[in-house]
Amino acid sequence: NAGVTQTPKFQVLKTGQSMTLQCAQDMNHEYMSWYRQDPGMGLRLIHYSVGAGITDQGEVPNGYNVSRSTTEDFPLRLLSAAPSQTSVYFCASSSGTGYYSNQPQHFGDGTRLSIL
Amino acid sequence: GNSVTQMEGPVTLSEEAFLTINCTYTATGYPSLFWYVQYPGEGLQLLLKATKADDKGSNKGFEATYRKETTSFHLEKGSVQVSDSAVYFCALTFSSPGTGFQKLVFGTGTRLLVSP
Repeated sequence: NAGVTQTPKFQVLKTGQSMTLQCAQDMNHEYMSWYRQDPGMGLRLIHYSVGAGITDQGEVPNGYNVSRSTTEDFPLRLLSAAPSQTSVYFCASSSGTGYYSNQPQHFGDGTRLSIL
Repeated sequence: GNSVTQMEGPVTLSEEAFLTINCTYTATGYPSLFWYVQYPGEGLQLLLKATKADDKGSNKGFEATYRKETTSFHLEKGSVQVSDSAVYFCALTFSSPGTGFQKLVFGTGTRLLVSP
């Protein structure tokens, strides 16, 4: 049972570098999302997708890009890393069984990212 | 807007003590309510949920009741174990207009430390 797999687990970047955080799920879930977790702030939604080819912004989208070319994968791109993006990033997926679905989200183990 | 407020931690208890973690929410409409748990180095896992007023969610000895009149969803357990030490997040979901995607809004988390 792989569930939601995130890579890498840890990464250190310099300001201005770019990188892609990978997320893959094997549950055939329609919905996928990215959150960042910062001390004292809980988790905040960055971007989400309701299916292949469909993405939308969450609460804190600036500085991040996403795309969804397949059901399984939902990578998060940092085009020009900034120290304010130092955080722990979580990918999540859930099944969409129709409008107002309240299926729980399944989370990966996170990527701890430090920007120097 | 939609928001969740949790009690500050850490909550420090001895094994077999009674646990209460307070959670109140502000929401438009009728959200579903969740408790997620995060063990060290891991992602969030769904602990329990309630989808309408007066529903009681329960799992692994934990319980929470959806109280619409007090806008609360307090987490309780009658006898905690050392293995319950983790961070607990209260959350609500609301549907994104148009897509129906269930956006999760998290509280800031409450760390529970249980000593033998």
